[in-house]
Amino acid sequence: EVQLVESGGGLVQPGGSLRLSCTASGFTFSRYWMSWVRQAPGKGLEWVANMKQDGTEKYYVDSVKGRFTISRDNAKNSLFLQMNSLRAEDTAVYYCARGHVFEMWGQGTVVTVSS
Amino acid sequence: DVVMTQSPLSLPVILGQPASISCRSSQSLVHSDGNTYLNWFQQRPGQSPRRLIYEVSKRDSGVPDRFSGSGSGTDFTLKISRVEAEDVGVYYCMQNTQWPPLTFGGGTKVEIK
Repeated sequence: EVQLVESGGGLVQPGGSLRLSCTASGFTFSRYWMSWVRQAPGKGLEWVANMKQDGTEKYYVDSVKGRFTISRDNAKNSLFLQMNSLRAEDTAVYYCARGHVFEMWGQGTVVTVSS
Repeated sequence: DVVMTQSPLSLPVILGQPASISCRSSQSLVHSDGNTYLNWFQQRPGQSPRRLIYEVSKRDSGVPDRFSGSGSGTDFTLKISRVEAEDVGVYYCMQNTQWPPLTFGGGTKVEIK
């Protein structure tokens, strides 16, 4: 079965850090761009970051530049998002998505930034 | 950045009747390669989003043919020919012609009248 499974979400204080993971199965992970998209409570979708197959290109939305880092391990079919200096406005469901046009999505992991 | 604007915000529809959602971009979405990279996503209540349409009018695998996409330049439309109960949810357009950033519209909530 083709699927993406996110993990690593939780409650963190402002200024804290969290590392999200996404494990892919059922397809050749190394052939695809991979992305993170988030959705704040009751709000719409916002692209966060994406990364080329070989890691040579990475892009971020302005609001997370310098704080978030996207990475991947093709040998382990895994995508990561290291989130530092977290703010209340980073509170959201974080989705892992295949490609840079999001042709498939994971179930999401919830990140709550609050004191 | 390309700003995507959807209308209406909310769309009450009668089962079996058609529905139409508009999406406008602040700049032309025609890429230098001649293609137009406009996508539509559906998010049912409590579920992850799902892509329905890519490159304006190409349906993803498994998407019912009652969904169709059209448009060009800066004006695009998602049409549902006959709304079914399972179509309730929020629909988003998204462009990947000029990026980063990849940008979504604000969403249109489809509900049964």
